[in-house]
Amino acid sequence: DIQMTQSPSSLSASIGDRVTITCQASQDINNFLSWYQQRPGKAPKLLIHDSSNLEAGVPSRFSGSGSGTHFTFTINSLQPEDIATYYCQQYHDLFTFGPGTKVDL
Amino acid sequence: QVQLVESGGGVVQPGRSLRLSCEVSGFTFPDYGMHWVRQAPGKGLEWVAVIWHDGSEKYYTDSVKGRFTISRDNSRNTLYLQMNTLRVEDTAIYYCARSALGVFDQWGQGILVSVSS
Repeated sequence: DIQMTQSPSSLSASIGDRVTITCQASQDINNFLSWYQQRPGKAPKLLIHDSSNLEAGVPSRFSGSGSGTHFTFTINSLQPEDIATYYCQQYHDLFTFGPGTKVDL
Repeated sequence: QVQLVESGGGVVQPGRSLRLSCEVSGFTFPDYGMHWVRQAPGKGLEWVAVIWHDGSEKYYTDSVKGRFTISRDNSRNTLYLQMNTLRVEDTAIYYCARSALGVFDQWGQGILVSVSS
């Protein structure tokens, strides 16, 4: 089974800050990685697929990169509506979510 | 617009059964794989099960193998999760999600399953 780790598990930032989250896979997953945003009390929302492809309608301040086992998710200029928990997810071999990174102010 | 609506949750005693449904609209259901994903209170997301678009393949996370069964009725645009021999640790919000090439691009609002004596 493929295991996913994320760091940090939580972070505090200010409006306008650049926020970076890393995700590591226990084995090579090529670029089969997605990022999801989950606001409190809501269902997750797909932001990025295939490591770096922004989903339609998602603001361009969100971006992703990486391949193999190491991936990065960035929010350029954090906005109040970005307060949420962010999950990476691999789909190279079945499906595994990372433990999540909680972003708050 | 795309909608996924879960139903069938509730409170159930350990060892009992429950069947969740997810009725979809706004897209061609038989064209997509479908998943169940759960989230225990205060915890992260856990993938539970997937069914291929035509029902030909099904896969489960280890902790539910032999107890849960995913199925679908493409004529009714509905996804199911039959949950047997429920355990306290199955307590969670259960989401159905649409899959496009492994990416969970549409989600339901979730339904709470609480296993408690």
